[in-house]
Amino acid sequence: DAGVIQSPRHEVTEMGQEVTLRCKPISGHNSLFWYRQTMMRGLELLIYFNNNVPIDDSGMPEDRFSAKMPNASFSTLKIQPSEPRDSAVYFCASSLNQGAEAFFGQGTRLTVV
Amino acid sequence: AQRVTQPEKLLSVFKGAPVELKCNYSYSGSPELFWYVQYSRQRLQLLLRHISRESIKGFTADLNKGETSFHLKKPFAQEEDSAMYYCALNGDDKIIFGKGTRLHILP
Repeated sequence: DAGVIQSPRHEVTEMGQEVTLRCKPISGHNSLFWYRQTMMRGLELLIYFNNNVPIDDSGMPEDRFSAKMPNASFSTLKIQPSEPRDSAVYFCASSLNQGAEAFFGQGTRLTVV
Repeated sequence: AQRVTQPEKLLSVFKGAPVELKCNYSYSGSPELFWYVQYSRQRLQLLLRHISRESIKGFTADLNKGETSFHLKKPFAQEEDSAMYYCALNGDDKIIFGKGTRLHILP
């Protein structure tokens, strides 16, 4: 297995544009997490899914952020419209079951200018 | 509510000296605790977990429920230990992280 795959690796966009980040979890894992990493706040949990169902989205900062998991092998995190303060590294992670370790993707570095 | 606190943003230690990265947690149930490491230009990866009680790359961490701590320790620092270290708690099916500590090993 290639591990958790995220795309794109880097994204530069103008303020106001829509941004879509993509994630392919490890096959067979039933939990998927989206995190945002910044210098100020470290790793923040935005939302997580269990068996494709969103369980807790309390970490999503604003309504401009949305996430979907249409099937067990794909998830998206969308920001619309994007703002400069959304600039960060966004990580996707998956885990096999409760209490298990999380496996991380390489992250997407988002820059909003 | 779940919370993980890493009080130090940066820790500089001389090569060969002992290392201790602090982590305190808050959780009402029985937590699963982990340490993750992120080396330069690499993805986050698991370093160790409290249930396995093992030593990885010379690092150990003991869960102290009385003090709600899970400090990471290594007796003799090596230059390749320089990295970002995150303490994490898995409770209620979600994994939350502390803000991380950057460990800088001085030659």
